[in-house]
Formats: sequence, C-alpha cells, structure tokens
Amino acid sequence: QVQLVQSGAEIKEPGASVRVSCKASGYTFTSYTFSWVRQAPGQGLEWIGWISTSSGNTHYVQKLQGRITLTTDTSTSTAYMELRSLTSDDTAVYYCARDDGGGITDAFDIWGQGTLVTVSS
Amino acid sequence: DIQMTQSPSTLSASVGDRVTITCRASQTVNNWLIWYQQKPGTAPKLLIYKTSSLQTGVPSRFSGSRSGTEFTLTISNLQPDDFATYYCLQYNTYWVFGQGTRVEIK
Repeated sequence: QVQLVQSGAEIKEPGASVRVSCKASGYTFTSYTFSWVRQAPGQGLEWIGWISTSSGNTHYVQKLQGRITLTTDTSTSTAYMELRSLTSDDTAVYYCARDDGGGITDAFDIWGQGTLVTVSS
Repeated sequence: DIQMTQSPSTLSASVGDRVTITCRASQTVNNWLIWYQQKPGTAPKLLIYKTSSLQTGVPSRFSGSRSGTEFTLTISNLQPDDFATYYCLQYNTYWVFGQGTRVEIK
C-alpha cells in the first residue's frame, strides 16, 4: 500500500541541526512532489516547504529561509528535511506529505506518521 | 501574503447536528482550497479538495462550498467519529493553513 514512513523522535540542544527522513513506498516516487508541515505542541498546522522529486526545485516558508533544506534521494525513494540553528520555537511534530499537485486532488493526500523534534538544553 | 481566517476556533455540538466551519481568504484563492480532519496524535486526513470534491472514502455527510473568498465545510448529521479538529488549506499562492476549528462534544 501507499505509505510514508518517517524517522524516529529526536531531542536536540539549541543551536544544533536535525534531519528527518521520510521513506515512500507503494507508488512511483518521482510522480509526486513533497511538502513538509510542522505542528508545535497544542498548535495548528504550518506549511514549511515543498520539493519537486524530479527537478529538486524547492520553496520554503519565508521565516525558515536560510535554516531549512529539503532534499530527496530517488534511489531510495526518501525525502529529507534538515533544519539548522534550532531554537525552542522549532519544537514540533514534523510531517512529510505527498503532494498530488497537478493530479486528481491537487492536495497533500498521503502523510507520514510525524516525527517529534524536541529542542531543549 | 495570503491569510486564512478560520472560524470558529471551537465549536460545541451534539451527535446528529449540522455544523458549519468557515475559512475566509484575505484575497482570492480561486477554488484552490482543501479541508483536513485531524485527531489527536495522528496526521491530518484529506476530506475535501478543490473546494468541494469529496476525497475517496470520505462520508457524504461532509461537503464544501465557496462564496467569493469565503469557504465553508459542512458536516450534516454529526457522528461520534467526527469530533476532531478541522483545518482549511489554500494553495493558490504557496500553502497557508487556517488556524483550525476544534469540534467538541456538547
């Protein structure tokens, strides 16, 4: 079945970096793009970035420009999100989502299970 | 930047009620509007795409509509499984979520 499986929870100190992985299965990886969404504890959803799996083109939310990098590895059907210079404000659950842009739904139709990133000294 | 104002933030309702959640865009987003349902500790679930199209497998008691820059999610005959938080998402210009509406048991 179509699924996205993310890496496990992380605890990082302020100033550190984190990389979250998202492995896709059950479909052709390069036929869809990816977005990443985060959710701080008790808060709403926030879109943070998008990547094309075919071209590598990216778009990032302005507030994270310079600290976030999205990449993909087509050989392993895995998407990655790296966030640097972490602060406590980055504590959140990070989700990857398959983006059916230009397809039937045009929506984030399949989501990973989420990865909790905790930033604490 | 496009802002999405979602209301109400919390809604108390009973099983069998008809509930309405609204998202207002700060500028036109055409029909590029999606609705998600999220339950605690789980990823969001796609309910409605392109304003009014029901995702496969979603019950027909969910519906979406648009009037200008105002978008509405309606749940008719609210069921126990529907108590959750709902988010709108515009993708006319990048992607911006509404703040969410928690539907709780009255």
